[in-house]
Order: sequence, then C-alpha cells, then structure tokens
Amino acid sequence: AQSVAQPEDQVNVAEGNPLTVKCTYSVSGNPYLFWYVQYPNRGLQFLLKYITGDNLVKGSYGFEAEFNKSQTSFHLKKPSALVSDSALYFCAVRASTDSWGKLQFGAGTQVVVTP
Amino acid sequence: DVKVTQSSRYLVKRTGEKVFLECVQDMDHENMFWYRQDPGLGLRLIYFSYDVKMKEKGDIPEGYSVSREKKERFSLILESASTNQTSMYLCASSIPRGNGYTFGSGTRLTVV
Repeated sequence: AQSVAQPEDQVNVAEGNPLTVKCTYSVSGNPYLFWYVQYPNRGLQFLLKYITGDNLVKGSYGFEAEFNKSQTSFHLKKPSALVSDSALYFCAVRASTDSWGKLQFGAGTQVVVTP
Repeated sequence: DVKVTQSSRYLVKRTGEKVFLECVQDMDHENMFWYRQDPGLGLRLIYFSYDVKMKEKGDIPEGYSVSREKKERFSLILESASTNQTSMYLCASSIPRGNGYTFGSGTRLTVV
C-alpha cells in the first residue's frame, strides 16, 4: 500500500522568507510524486510533479520540489514566499505500476505567510 | 480551458435523504474519481471509474454508490445521508495511467 506523510499541520513564514513544506512517502516500486494547492472553498490546483529524470522539479508560481530517493522525500520549496501563497498544500503519490493512476494524498499542510 | 464541473458548490440535506452529486468533464478522460476531504485526514478515495459503466471501490465506499452512464459524467450517490457524511466532496478526472488529476471546485455538503 502507498502512503504519504506531511508532518506539519501548519507552516508559518514571513513574506520574503524561504518556504518549505515537507513530504515523505511510501510506495512499492518507483514513485510518481505530485504537489497540489487548494485555496479556500476551491478544488485542488496542480503545482508540479516528479515522474523521472532530474531530481529538482520546477513548477507553477515559482515553486520547486526535490525528489530524494534515499530519504523517500519530496519537499516543496519556494525561495521567497508571498502573502498570496497562503493556502493548503497537498502532497500525493502513485505507484508507477498502478494501472488506474490512483493518487494517495497526504493530510495537507496549511501555509500562512504574514506580511 | 479544460474543465471538471461539479454541479453544486454548497448543498444542505436532511438525514435519510437520497443525495446526488454530479460531476462532468469535457476532456474526454477515461478515469474519474470521487474523494472526500476532511480536516486532518486529507483526501480519501470513495470510488473511481475507468470506463462507462465500470467502477471500483476506493478506500471508504461504505454508504456511497456511483453511476457512470456516459463518459463525461460521474455521479456520487448517498443512498441515505447521515451527519457523518458532512464533508467537502471533490471530483477529478485523468487519462489512463495518467500523471495527475484535474479537479473540480468541490461540493460542500452539510447533512442536518
């Protein structure tokens, strides 16, 4: 079975400071990893994904994430946070062998960026 | 712009009612999914469908059923709504073995 852990319920950061949201995963075989963002009362929006290749993945809105196979982690990062980055962030994983493409999501991390 | 549309943003239903949540996608995707989202629990898969009239149970199917009569439409049915089904419901679609989902905006259901 696959699983995702987001160890922090909430991350607080001042505007302009670096932002990191942590994610670790467990899956059989090679992982496909994703980050989504959710604004209040909205659906989830895709930020970025790792399928194969370069371990550093760049995505939307200046976000990036680094795949670390030995630590089974896929932390989301942004060098300089904006107030508008305040939202709920979800990490997700699927096994490369999953024929349906089902995603397993973490519990989410609330990011609060203060001016 | 590609879309997944959920027919209602907010719903209030009474205990024991039969509730239909509708989801329509315009991307010709084979796979469609229903999740519920609860604080601290993230998203949990209820049911998914990989083709018309085909369905598979997810992690928490109890109390729910689904219908997929047309490729673009996937309905979630609460046979007899209960207060513990108060939640945000999210529909998503993808291609087979796809690399990620497109989500609808969600339906916030309150059962009173």
